[in-house]
Amino acid sequence: KAGVTQTPRYLIKTRGQQVTLSCSPISGHRSVSWYQQTPGQGLQFLFEYFSETQRNKGNFPGRFSGRQFSNSRSEMNVSTLELGDSALYLCATAEQGAENEQFFGPGTRLTVL
Amino acid sequence: KNQVEQSPQSLIILEGKNCTLQCNYTVSPFSNLRWYKQDTGRGPVSLTIMTFSENTKSNGRYTATLDADTKQSSLHITASQLSDSASYICVVSATSGTYKYIFGTGTRLKVLA
Repeated sequence: KAGVTQTPRYLIKTRGQQVTLSCSPISGHRSVSWYQQTPGQGLQFLFEYFSETQRNKGNFPGRFSGRQFSNSRSEMNVSTLELGDSALYLCATAEQGAENEQFFGPGTRLTVL
Repeated sequence: KNQVEQSPQSLIILEGKNCTLQCNYTVSPFSNLRWYKQDTGRGPVSLTIMTFSENTKSNGRYTATLDADTKQSSLHITASQLSDSASYICVVSATSGTYKYIFGTGTRLKVLA
């Protein structure tokens, strides 16, 4: 089986812009979770989608949003980018739910200038 | 406040030596605890997952222990190899609440030849 894929791998944006990141899960995986990783804060949970519904949400502002499509692919959107949004954004997928073993993608490195 | 603290922050050992990484948590209500290995520039890979009733779980040269009473976990690496150089992240899952997954900031391990 192919692993979790994330696109793009690298992205440079300026403050105020918006960005959309994509995650394609392992075939058969219906749960997709998104995480933000920064050197100072470590990994922080953004949200989890399962069967096109947001099932869980972390403590991030409303500028961070996501959605999941019927084929389980997921997108994450960040609007009105701030410098502090620069981070590695990881998605992780699981068969039934995030409580099961998660498989992470390689991440998207976002730099906000 | 739900927190996961890992120690040491970084560690350097010689190839072939053993080492132990620590994880203390104050997450409640506890669901499970996972250890991940993250190579530089890649997504985390699951090593072990333990529920409340499990004390020890092994994955090759990696052995994780859990003491639910003291809320401590350790990851022991036996006969270290150069490929063990990575960040090791402890993640505790709560059964309810906004913060479902609480990540430690990781221990960066460097194995020298």
